[in-house]
Amino acid sequence: TQLLEQSPQFLSIQEGENLTVYCNSSSVFSSLQWYRQEPGEGPVLLVTVVTGGEVKKLKRLTFQFGDARKDSSLHITAAQPGDTGLYLCAGGSSGDKLTFGTGTRLAVRP
Amino acid sequence: EPEVTQTPSHQVTQMGQEVILRCVPISNHLYFYWYRQILGQKVEFLVSFYNNEISEKSEIFDDQFSVERPDGSNFTLKIRSTKLEDSAMYFCASTLRYSPLHFGNGTRLTVT
Repeated sequence: TQLLEQSPQFLSIQEGENLTVYCNSSSVFSSLQWYRQEPGEGPVLLVTVVTGGEVKKLKRLTFQFGDARKDSSLHITAAQPGDTGLYLCAGGSSGDKLTFGTGTRLAVRP
Repeated sequence: EPEVTQTPSHQVTQMGQEVILRCVPISNHLYFYWYRQILGQKVEFLVSFYNNEISEKSEIFDDQFSVERPDGSNFTLKIRSTKLEDSAMYFCASTLRYSPLHFGNGTRLTVT
């Protein structure tokens, strides 16, 4: 069974601070996706990384896929209240399914 | 932008009753999925569907569950005899091959 553990589970920070969310597994994934989920809505894709060591930037968000394709990180620079939400990583493998991480709930205080 | 739509948004049913959750995937997508999220827990894969048949299913997707694509637009998840532990958000998703999943906003199923 493939498992993805995210840390921290909860994070409450002040506007303007930086933060990093980690997504770790003992399994190798062919791709790693990051989603953001708002209450009452489905997950919305932020980014997909497929190559070990790959780094992608989306405005103030930086995503990295580990060299061994077992882990990933999401770094947010100068967090804003609009970044508040549930962040999910999800690993893709040879089959169709995605294995979702345990989630990180971020609260950014103004 | 096209989106995946799910109905109803909230379904309340009694234990032992059958429920059908409905999804309209994005029109040109070929791969369809159901996931569920029990309150406070992670999103879990249930089943994937391609070319009018199940391509993969999880241990959760037992004989009480079935999926169907009865026409060119709808994709349904049926639970034959609901249990209390089936209470969860159920998300439908669709995709073209090798492209990101698009999720619907989910159906909240409450079994009483």
